[in-house]
Amino acid sequence: QKEVEQNSGPLSVPEGAIASLNCTYSDRVSQSFFWYRQYSGKSPELIMSIYSNGDKEDGRFTAQLNKASQYVSLLIRDSQPSDSATYLCAVNHSNDMRFGAGTRLTVKP
Amino acid sequence: SAVISQKPSRDICQRGTSLTIQCQVDSQVTMMFWYRQQPGQSLTLIATANQGSEATYESGFVIDKFPISRPNLTFSTLTVSNMSPEDSSIYLCSVDQDSSYNEQFFGPGTRLTVL
Repeated sequence: QKEVEQNSGPLSVPEGAIASLNCTYSDRVSQSFFWYRQYSGKSPELIMSIYSNGDKEDGRFTAQLNKASQYVSLLIRDSQPSDSATYLCAVNHSNDMRFGAGTRLTVKP
Repeated sequence: SAVISQKPSRDICQRGTSLTIQCQVDSQVTMMFWYRQQPGQSLTLIATANQGSEATYESGFVIDKFPISRPNLTFSTLTVSNMSPEDSSIYLCSVDQDSSYNEQFFGPGTRLTVL
């Protein structure tokens, strides 16, 4: 079983729609959870961090964490073509960061 | 967040040679890491660069192949030794400025091609 699992996609949504990205993890004692955005040919960029159960909103982005279900998600509201990228889920326990394979998102104008 | 630079940004090397990649941060950071990202794949941690002591390597990575230095809190190097085409990859350094939050920020990466 992979430590951090994501649907590889591609996920395609129309401009203005909500994009929903999902991630599950296997290490129950994980403490910190992150979403990174990676444009083609660029390095990953941290867009959201979440540490406790529930929702965390930052602009058009909402991260959701459910530790009981070992599940973390990212919602992107009012999706824009500039949101087209690969989104990496990362899970950290005691400075040991594990990344999912990423979900490729395409937002169509 | 800290500004992170890497040199070189890309290189093409011959089999059997070695390449040293530099990572420079504009402020002191507690933790520095080296990752590899092979084409179309996610990030794999190579090692944690420890200031003043030997790096901590992940399973599958050894010091003889990937020697790492970290002489101070703003600089680290990763050497890819005796390269083969399988080492062709993007190598990324990352930093964690405040271990309380475990947030890592990445440098721009070094794209390595081994012929």
